Amino acid sequence: NAGVMQNPRHLVRRRGQEARLRCSPMKGHSHVYWYRQLPEEGLKFMVYLQKENIIDESGMPKERFSAEFPKEGPSILRIQQVVRGDSAAYFCASSLAPRNEQFFGPGTRLTVL
Amino acid sequence: QQQVKQSPQSLIVQKGGISIINCAYENTAFDYFPWYQQFPGKGPALLIAIRPDVSEKKEGRFTISFNKSAKQFSLHIMDSQPGDSATYFCAASYSNYQLIWGAGTKLIIKP
Repeated sequence: NAGVMQNPRHLVRRRGQEARLRCSPMKGHSHVYWYRQLPEEGLKFMVYLQKENIIDESGMPKERFSAEFPKEGPSILRIQQVVRGDSAAYFCASSLAPRNEQFFGPGTRLTVL
Repeated sequence: QQQVKQSPQSLIVQKGGISIINCAYENTAFDYFPWYQQFPGKGPALLIAIRPDVSEKKEGRFTISFNKSAKQFSLHIMDSQPGDSATYFCAASYSNYQLIWGAGTKLIIKP
């Protein structure tokens, strides 16, 4: 009966390195959403994926960011050549269907030094 | 047009009092309005949600009031308890994904 799982919970990277954030949706959920939260702000939508498909990536920066949700395994949010402005909490959510409730994971807090 | 404006930024309420948080939106296509509760270091958790075909929804001590003509909705927490101290976010969507979030209200309930 596990909820949405994210790892790592905390990630420290130096500028220029790559960050890989993983999200395992709730059992039976095939819809995954990634959000970014800056301190003292609400969440900002980044990307919506179904298994093997990116449905909507309108909130994701065009460069350095990519997401995937393979047939097997967790969804991955990858940030290449990180910069200090990428420091934030990244939340993953999953749902049973597109118009159903989204359940959120505990987030990954990324710090770029 | 995609913004959701939330107020106040922070709120202090005495135990047993009523906590009220307000949100306003512009996009009339929005058709789903959830409220989320977030504790420090945790992900947001859905508290209660409403669709624009009703003006009020109540679940326990939590009530959403919805005013379609004014494009506003609010969360009321009755008999507020110290355990309700958290950050509350309103959100809106016209597809139930790509939630558009308010900036959050930090609620503190004083014992």
